[in-house]
Amino acid sequence: KNQVEQSPQSLIILEGKNCTLQCNYTVSPFSNLRWYKQDTGRGPVSLTIMTFSENTKSNGRYTATLDADTKQSSLHITASQLSDSASYICVVNISNFGNEKLTFGTGTRLTIIP
Amino acid sequence: DAGVTQSPTHLIKTRGQQVTLRCSPKSGHDTVSWYQQALGQGPQFIFQYYEEEERQRGNFPDRFSGHQFPNYSSELNVNALLLGDSALYLCASSFVGEDYGYTFGSGTRLTVV
Repeated sequence: KNQVEQSPQSLIILEGKNCTLQCNYTVSPFSNLRWYKQDTGRGPVSLTIMTFSENTKSNGRYTATLDADTKQSSLHITASQLSDSASYICVVNISNFGNEKLTFGTGTRLTIIP
Repeated sequence: DAGVTQSPTHLIKTRGQQVTLRCSPKSGHDTVSWYQQALGQGPQFIFQYYEEEERQRGNFPDRFSGHQFPNYSSELNVNALLLGDSALYLCASSFVGEDYGYTFGSGTRLTVV
């Protein structure tokens, strides 16, 4: 069982609409949670980073939420644009005795159609 | 300010061959991590280098090895290539102890035929 699970696996929405992507994790100890956007064949680009004490973080049209008690996070995209078509990956940073390791979810493939 | 640079961008190798991938970290970063990303999957952690030593390692066989140079750049070596090694190989750099600083390169697409 993957320690970071995302849903849905894929999503298609019309340009201009909003959408919410989900991330559930079981990893611990937890240092921070990140959302990345990855275009096909490219490296991931960071959208938001939240520590366990933060509940929400915004970056333009992207808003991430975190519930450390239930180990759930969401990424909300408002007024979607064609350029938002990409994979969105939830990443949990495990910090153990000073060593950090990123654990990636398998991502949600988002397609925006005109 | 250059970000993380990886080379080559694409590579085709034959089964059984050996390959070396290169990564130059972002200016000011001293830690390099390598990830393997199969098509349609999330990146899987291979290993991390700091102060020219392997600091952490994921569940990858010894065929995967690495090196970090005094200028913080890094190489990933894969021996005895298998078809299953075909993937996008990502390098990420960071500054030790700074959680927020992971920056990824664009990756090297390796195809094993």
